[in-house]
Amino acid sequence: QSVLTQPPSVSAAPGQKVTISCSGSSSNIGNNYVSWYQQLPGTAPKLLIYENNKRPSGIPDRFSGSRSGTSATLGITGLQTGDEADYYCGTWDSSLSAVVFGGGTKLTVL
Amino acid sequence: QLQLQESGPGLVKPSETLSLTCTVSGGSISSSSYYWGWIRQPPGKGLEWIGSIYYSGSTYYNPSLKSRVTISVDTPQNQFSLKLSSVTAADTAVYYCARRSLCSSTTCYGFGNGWFDPWGQGTLVTVSS
Repeated sequence: QSVLTQPPSVSAAPGQKVTISCSGSSSNIGNNYVSWYQQLPGTAPKLLIYENNKRPSGIPDRFSGSRSGTSATLGITGLQTGDEADYYCGTWDSSLSAVVFGGGTKLTVL
Repeated sequence: QLQLQESGPGLVKPSETLSLTCTVSGGSISSSSYYWGWIRQPPGKGLEWIGSIYYSGSTYYNPSLKSRVTISVDTPQNQFSLKLSSVTAADTAVYYCARRSLCSSTTCYGFGNGWFDPWGQGTLVTVSS
């Protein structure tokens, strides 16, 4: 069972918006930066968001990140079929002294 | 453009030691802004951080694996390596190497506030007799 809790799956229609939550505690999300990763089928994870809400160059502004208290959220607007993937949140857990990831959320674009 | 490539045996026998190497190209492993790490993903499951190393040899390990893990760095070869001892079927996974960035455009952080980018393509290691 993961230290960070994500919904197993979310779905939405093309063009719509979806949010993916990542719930933790004061020992992880509450006091450390969160990053988000996209894993397309059969490929390696790719960085989408770092420092809670910053996008690396090349990541479209359809992807956004936020953090409030001990939870973080990834938002995706203007959904495309190419966004179908697994999404993971990650951060440092100060109590465990370990990098921890959420269990992952499978996004289906209907 | 920085690239990472994992290499090593795809099949390891139970109780033996899994050994993988990550070769970094397009940049130096000796940069002060980065750690270098290993993450694994069992088939159909989520990501698990194994550990990370700095070019000086300083390491962070996942406490759940620490007793079996050794990560080392070879700066002249621009490589870092993973050894996982006493493997079982539960260690069957795709193993990724990745760079852990500690600095944004304006600020540098401690290890805990970093992020992984880029990742290697991953290599499947199966533990079976």
